[in-house]
Amino acid sequence: DSGVTQTPKHLITATGQRVTLRCSPRSGDLSVYWYQQSLDQGLQFLIQYYNGEERAKGNILERFSAQQFPDLHSELNLSSLELGDSALYFCASSGGQGANSGNTIYFGEGSWLTVV
Amino acid sequence: AQTVTQSQPEMSVQEAETVTLSCTYDTSESDYYLFWYKQPPSRQMILVIRQEAYKQQNATENRFSVNFQKAAKSFSLKISDSQLGDAAMYFCAYRSFSGYALNFGKGTSLLVTP
Repeated sequence: DSGVTQTPKHLITATGQRVTLRCSPRSGDLSVYWYQQSLDQGLQFLIQYYNGEERAKGNILERFSAQQFPDLHSELNLSSLELGDSALYFCASSGGQGANSGNTIYFGEGSWLTVV
Repeated sequence: AQTVTQSQPEMSVQEAETVTLSCTYDTSESDYYLFWYKQPPSRQMILVIRQEAYKQQNATENRFSVNFQKAAKSFSLKISDSQLGDAAMYFCAYRSFSGYALNFGKGTSLLVTP
Protein backbone atom coordinates (compact mmCIF):
# COMPACT_ATOMS: atom_id res chain seq x y z
CA ASP A 1 0.00 0.00 0.00
CA SER A 2 1.60 3.24 -1.19
CA GLY A 3 -0.57 5.46 1.00
CA VAL A 4 -2.01 7.31 -2.01
CA THR A 5 -5.77 6.84 -2.26
CA GLN A 6 -7.77 7.28 -5.44
CA THR A 7 -11.51 7.17 -5.99
CA PRO A 8 -13.39 5.86 -7.80
CA LYS A 9 -11.49 2.75 -8.84
CA HIS A 10 -13.69 2.19 -11.87
CA LEU A 11 -15.97 4.53 -13.78
CA ILE A 12 -18.04 4.08 -16.91
CA THR A 13 -19.60 7.11 -18.52
CA ALA A 14 -20.95 8.27 -21.85
CA THR A 15 -19.32 10.55 -24.40
CA GLY A 16 -19.87 14.22 -23.72
CA GLN A 17 -20.15 13.73 -19.99
CA ARG A 18 -18.00 15.12 -17.18
CA VAL A 19 -16.33 13.19 -14.38
CA THR A 20 -14.22 14.01 -11.35
CA LEU A 21 -11.43 11.81 -10.07
CA ARG A 22 -10.27 12.26 -6.52
CA CYS A 23 -6.91 11.71 -4.90
CA SER A 24 -5.67 11.80 -1.33
CA PRO A 25 -1.87 11.95 -1.16
CA ARG A 26 0.31 10.20 1.35
CA SER A 27 0.25 11.81 4.76
CA GLY A 28 2.54 14.83 4.75
CA ASP A 29 3.14 14.86 0.99
CA LEU A 30 2.77 18.31 -0.54
CA SER A 31 3.08 17.43 -4.23
CA VAL A 32 0.41 15.69 -6.25
CA TYR A 33 0.81 14.48 -9.81
CA TRP A 34 -1.68 13.19 -12.34
CA TYR A 35 -0.75 10.72 -15.06
CA GLN A 36 -2.75 9.11 -17.86
CA GLN A 37 -2.03 5.63 -19.14
CA SER A 38 -3.89 4.50 -22.25
CA LEU A 39 -3.80 0.92 -23.52
CA ASP A 40 -1.41 1.67 -26.34
CA GLN A 41 0.57 4.42 -24.74
CA GLY A 42 2.92 4.81 -21.89
CA LEU A 43 2.51 7.02 -18.89
CA GLN A 44 1.71 10.56 -19.87
CA PHE A 45 2.26 13.28 -17.31
CA LEU A 46 -0.71 15.62 -17.07
CA ILE A 47 -0.15 18.09 -14.25
CA GLN A 48 1.57 18.67 -10.91
CA TYR A 49 0.45 20.64 -7.88
CA TYR A 50 2.55 21.64 -4.93
CA ASN A 51 0.88 22.81 -1.73
CA GLY A 52 -2.15 24.05 -3.59
CA GLU A 53 -0.37 25.74 -6.47
CA GLU A 54 0.07 24.46 -10.01
CA ARG A 55 3.73 23.67 -10.49
CA ALA A 56 4.10 21.96 -13.83
CA LYS A 57 1.91 21.14 -16.77
CA GLY A 58 2.37 18.27 -19.16
CA ASN A 59 0.18 16.96 -21.95
CA ILE A 60 -3.10 17.96 -20.36
CA LEU A 61 -5.98 18.72 -22.69
CA GLU A 62 -7.95 21.93 -22.32
CA ARG A 63 -11.02 19.82 -21.53
CA PHE A 64 -9.22 18.59 -18.42
CA SER A 65 -8.51 20.57 -15.29
CA ALA A 66 -7.26 19.88 -11.81
CA GLN A 67 -6.88 21.51 -8.46
CA GLN A 68 -5.36 20.84 -5.08
CA PHE A 69 -7.29 21.84 -2.00
CA PRO A 70 -6.05 23.24 1.34
CA ASP A 71 -6.19 19.76 2.86
CA LEU A 72 -3.88 18.69 -0.01
CA HIS A 73 -6.29 16.32 -1.67
CA SER A 74 -6.61 16.82 -5.41
CA GLU A 75 -9.28 16.42 -8.04
CA LEU A 76 -8.94 15.88 -11.77
CA ASN A 77 -11.93 17.05 -13.78
CA LEU A 78 -12.48 15.58 -17.23
CA SER A 79 -15.18 17.15 -19.37
CA SER A 80 -16.72 16.67 -22.83
CA LEU A 81 -15.43 13.15 -22.67
CA GLU A 82 -14.46 11.32 -25.84
CA LEU A 83 -13.88 7.63 -26.48
CA GLY A 84 -10.16 8.29 -26.61
CA ASP A 85 -10.17 9.50 -23.03
CA SER A 86 -10.71 5.95 -21.85
CA ALA A 87 -7.61 5.20 -19.80
CA LEU A 88 -6.15 4.51 -16.40
CA TYR A 89 -5.60 7.74 -14.50
CA PHE A 90 -2.97 7.69 -11.81
CA CYS A 91 -2.49 10.07 -8.97
CA ALA A 92 0.89 10.16 -7.30
CA SER A 93 2.44 12.12 -4.47
CA SER A 94 5.79 13.10 -3.05
CA GLY A 95 7.41 15.58 -0.74
CA GLY A 96 6.79 14.12 2.67
CA GLN A 97 9.13 13.83 5.61
CA GLY A 98 11.83 11.25 6.06
CA ALA A 99 14.99 10.33 4.23
CA ASN A 100 14.57 10.14 0.47
CA SER A 101 10.81 10.48 0.64
CA GLY A 102 10.86 13.87 -1.03
CA ASN A 103 12.60 12.50 -4.08
CA THR A 104 10.45 9.46 -4.70
CA ILE A 105 7.01 9.60 -6.25
CA TYR A 106 4.47 7.09 -4.95
CA PHE A 107 1.48 6.06 -7.02
CA GLY A 108 -2.09 5.27 -6.16
CA GLU A 109 -3.86 2.27 -7.64
CA GLY A 110 -5.41 4.34 -10.38
CA SER A 111 -8.91 5.13 -11.58
CA TRP A 112 -10.11 3.19 -14.59
CA LEU A 113 -12.22 5.40 -16.85
CA THR A 114 -14.22 3.86 -19.65
CA VAL A 115 -16.04 6.20 -22.02
CA VAL A 116 -18.78 4.54 -24.07
CA ALA B 1 12.88 17.75 -21.99
CA GLN B 2 14.66 14.68 -20.78
CA THR B 3 13.93 11.53 -22.75
CA VAL B 4 14.06 7.98 -21.47
CA THR B 5 14.52 5.06 -23.85
CA GLN B 6 13.86 1.42 -23.17
CA SER B 7 14.95 -0.44 -26.27
CA GLN B 8 13.58 -3.85 -25.28
CA PRO B 9 9.79 -4.00 -25.65
CA GLU B 10 9.75 -7.59 -24.36
CA MET B 11 12.11 -9.84 -22.46
CA SER B 12 11.85 -13.41 -21.25
CA VAL B 13 13.66 -15.21 -18.45
CA GLN B 14 13.43 -18.63 -16.86
CA GLU B 15 12.62 -18.94 -13.22
CA ALA B 16 15.74 -18.70 -11.00
CA GLU B 17 17.75 -17.13 -13.80
CA THR B 18 19.06 -13.57 -14.10
CA VAL B 19 17.81 -10.95 -16.53
CA THR B 20 18.92 -7.41 -17.29
CA LEU B 21 16.60 -4.69 -18.56
CA SER B 22 18.14 -1.75 -20.37
CA CYS B 23 17.44 1.94 -20.07
CA THR B 24 19.17 4.99 -21.48
CA TYR B 25 18.30 8.63 -20.97
CA ASP B 26 19.18 11.99 -22.32
CA THR B 27 19.83 14.96 -20.06
CA SER B 28 22.07 17.98 -19.69
CA GLU B 29 21.66 18.04 -15.94
CA SER B 30 24.32 16.77 -13.56
CA ASP B 31 22.05 15.99 -10.63
CA TYR B 32 18.94 13.89 -11.02
CA TYR B 33 17.21 10.73 -9.88
CA LEU B 34 16.51 7.50 -11.71
CA PHE B 35 13.90 4.92 -10.89
CA TRP B 36 12.58 1.56 -11.93
CA TYR B 37 8.87 0.93 -11.43
CA LYS B 38 7.10 -2.38 -11.83
CA GLN B 39 3.56 -2.62 -13.16
CA PRO B 40 2.05 -6.11 -12.73
CA PRO B 41 -1.22 -7.15 -14.41
CA SER B 42 -3.13 -5.36 -11.63
CA ARG B 43 -1.71 -2.17 -13.23
CA GLN B 44 -0.51 -0.81 -9.89
CA MET B 45 2.76 1.15 -10.13
CA ILE B 46 5.26 -0.24 -7.64
CA LEU B 47 8.63 1.34 -6.95
CA VAL B 48 11.41 -1.21 -7.40
CA ILE B 49 14.58 0.78 -6.93
CA ARG B 50 15.96 4.32 -7.09
CA GLN B 51 19.36 5.82 -7.80
CA GLU B 52 20.69 9.29 -7.07
CA ALA B 53 22.98 10.49 -9.85
CA TYR B 54 25.50 11.94 -7.39
CA LYS B 55 26.06 8.51 -5.85
CA GLN B 56 28.64 6.35 -7.56
CA GLN B 57 27.55 3.22 -5.76
CA ASN B 58 24.91 1.21 -7.58
CA ALA B 59 21.64 0.78 -5.70
CA THR B 60 20.55 -2.66 -4.56
CA GLU B 61 17.24 -3.90 -3.18
CA ASN B 62 17.28 -7.61 -2.41
CA ARG B 63 17.25 -9.41 -5.79
CA PHE B 64 17.14 -6.15 -7.73
CA SER B 65 20.22 -4.13 -8.55
CA VAL B 66 21.14 -1.46 -11.05
CA ASN B 67 24.14 -0.74 -13.20
CA PHE B 68 24.33 3.04 -13.33
CA GLN B 69 26.77 4.43 -15.89
CA LYS B 70 26.49 8.20 -15.62
CA ALA B 71 28.84 9.08 -18.45
CA ALA B 72 27.07 6.71 -20.78
CA LYS B 73 23.64 7.80 -19.46
CA SER B 74 22.71 4.21 -18.91
CA PHE B 75 20.65 2.72 -16.09
CA SER B 76 20.00 -1.00 -16.37
CA LEU B 77 18.06 -3.18 -13.95
CA LYS B 78 19.28 -6.65 -13.04
CA ILE B 79 16.86 -9.13 -11.54
CA SER B 80 18.53 -12.13 -9.94
CA ASP B 81 16.89 -15.44 -9.09
CA SER B 82 13.82 -14.47 -11.12
CA GLN B 83 10.46 -15.49 -9.72
CA LEU B 84 7.09 -15.93 -11.36
CA GLY B 85 5.87 -12.89 -9.46
CA ASP B 86 8.45 -10.74 -11.23
CA ALA B 87 6.44 -10.97 -14.45
CA ALA B 88 5.30 -7.44 -15.17
CA MET B 89 5.88 -4.32 -17.22
CA TYR B 90 8.97 -2.48 -16.02
CA PHE B 91 9.32 1.25 -16.49
CA CYS B 92 12.49 3.26 -16.24
CA ALA B 93 11.96 6.85 -15.11
CA TYR B 94 13.96 10.05 -14.77
CA ARG B 95 13.32 12.85 -12.32
CA SER B 96 15.07 16.19 -12.31
CA PHE B 97 16.79 17.27 -9.12
CA SER B 98 14.53 20.29 -9.04
CA GLY B 99 11.68 17.98 -8.18
CA TYR B 100 9.33 17.94 -11.09
CA ALA B 101 7.42 15.03 -12.53
CA LEU B 102 8.83 11.72 -13.68
CA ASN B 103 9.62 11.12 -17.32
CA PHE B 104 8.95 7.50 -18.18
CA GLY B 105 10.28 5.19 -20.84
CA LYS B 106 7.80 3.12 -22.83
CA GLY B 107 8.38 0.04 -20.71
CA THR B 108 9.72 -3.49 -21.05
CA SER B 109 7.36 -6.42 -20.64
CA LEU B 110 9.06 -9.20 -18.69
CA LEU B 111 7.84 -12.77 -19.02
CA VAL B 112 9.02 -15.33 -16.48
CA THR B 113 8.75 -18.96 -17.54
CA PRO B 114 8.81 -21.96 -15.19
